[in-house]
Amino acid sequence: GAVVSQHPSRVICKSGTSVKIECRSLDFQATTMFWYRQFPKKSLMLMATSNEGSKATYEQGVEKDKFLINHASLTLSTLTVTSAHPEDSSFYICSARNSGRTTGELFFGEGSRLTVL
Amino acid sequence: GQQLNQSPQSMFIQEGEDVSMNCTSSSIFNTWLWYKQDPGEGPVLLIALYKAGELTSNGRLTAQFGITRKDSFLNISASIPSDVGIYFCAGQLSFGNEKLTFGTGTRLTIIP
Repeated sequence: GAVVSQHPSRVICKSGTSVKIECRSLDFQATTMFWYRQFPKKSLMLMATSNEGSKATYEQGVEKDKFLINHASLTLSTLTVTSAHPEDSSFYICSARNSGRTTGELFFGEGSRLTVL
Repeated sequence: GQQLNQSPQSMFIQEGEDVSMNCTSSSIFNTWLWYKQDPGEGPVLLIALYKAGELTSNGRLTAQFGITRKDSFLNISASIPSDVGIYFCAGQLSFGNEKLTFGTGTRLTIIP
């Protein structure tokens, strides 16, 4: 299989606090992972590309100091929402490509719903 | 960011009916992917298409990669209640550039 797991699935935090979301590829290695954000009834919008062992690449308009990404191993990427505010409330989803395959399909995690009070 | 044009935006059908949806782009993609998303869940990969003109099936699902590489369609035959959800197409530029550009989504509802 190609299983990607996210944790936590739901998190509620107070405004001003930081929240860390983990994305793990359970049965394959992923040198590249992607973080998406999805608003209600909308499509997925790419936030950043997470590269193992190097800095993440952020899409235009995404604040890198706000959304810290760390890809410390071939199976784990983390997204930290720093000093969260209510407008950061959203559904965050990660995806990963199996580095051992020659095809580029991406597999998604279950998503993490962040609510900032 | 860029999004692909997906149609229809929503569909209301009866169980047993066939479904067809498509995705178009102004840009060429070298891979087309179709995903299904249930409420509160991440997208699940349904079909991946790698060659222009390719027609691929996965059970009751059939998808085609358009010859121009700017479009793709997904058909669902004999729909069942568990087909309810949002279907997204996604285009990928190349193997070395795996960023996905997503379609706007098609919400499928089955009328009892």
